[in-house]
Amino acid sequence: QKEVEQNSGPLSVPEGAIASLNCTYSDRVSQSFFWYRQYSGKSPELIMSIYSNGDKEDGRFTAQLNKASQYVSLLIRDSQPSDSATYLCAVLLSNDYKLSFGAGTTVTVRA
Amino acid sequence: DAGVTQSPTHLIKTRGQQVTLRCSPKSGHDTVSWYQQALGQGPQFIFQYYEEEERQRGNFPDRFSGHQYPNYSSELNVNALLLGDSALYLCASSPWDSDYYGYTFGSGTRLTVV
Repeated sequence: QKEVEQNSGPLSVPEGAIASLNCTYSDRVSQSFFWYRQYSGKSPELIMSIYSNGDKEDGRFTAQLNKASQYVSLLIRDSQPSDSATYLCAVLLSNDYKLSFGAGTTVTVRA
Repeated sequence: DAGVTQSPTHLIKTRGQQVTLRCSPKSGHDTVSWYQQALGQGPQFIFQYYEEEERQRGNFPDRFSGHQYPNYSSELNVNALLLGDSALYLCASSPWDSDYYGYTFGSGTRLTVV
């Protein structure tokens, strides 16, 4: 079982719609969760972090965490063409120093 | 405030050669991690350096080695290059409490092995 798994995509949404990205992780005791955005040919950029169960909102982005289900998601509201990128889920596993990444979900926002 | 800087940005090497990639962490960060990212994949953890020691290593052969200097900057060395080593190499730095702040990535080094 992979440490971090994401829905493979690609995900295509019309401009103004909600994009929903999902991620599951294997370590039940993990405490820190991050979403990174990576534009084609660029490096990952941190856009959200979440540590407690529930929702965390930052502008048009909402991260949701459910530790019992070992599930973290990212919602992008009012999607814009500039949101077209690959979104990486990252988890800091317990008893581990490294940040583990999923394979990423590529989102395309159609104008 | 400079972020994470990596050099060079692009590199072309021949199979069997050796390469050294360099990274300067963000100001205030003392931990450096290196990742390999193949096309269409997520970053794969190579190793992490803290206090000039390799603290954790991923599933990479010992052709991959590194170093951290007292000023926290770091190098990644790859010996006996293979075609499969072609990838984007990312350096990420973090403060001691990275549980809350995550990692900051540099712009990466694109390595092509021919």
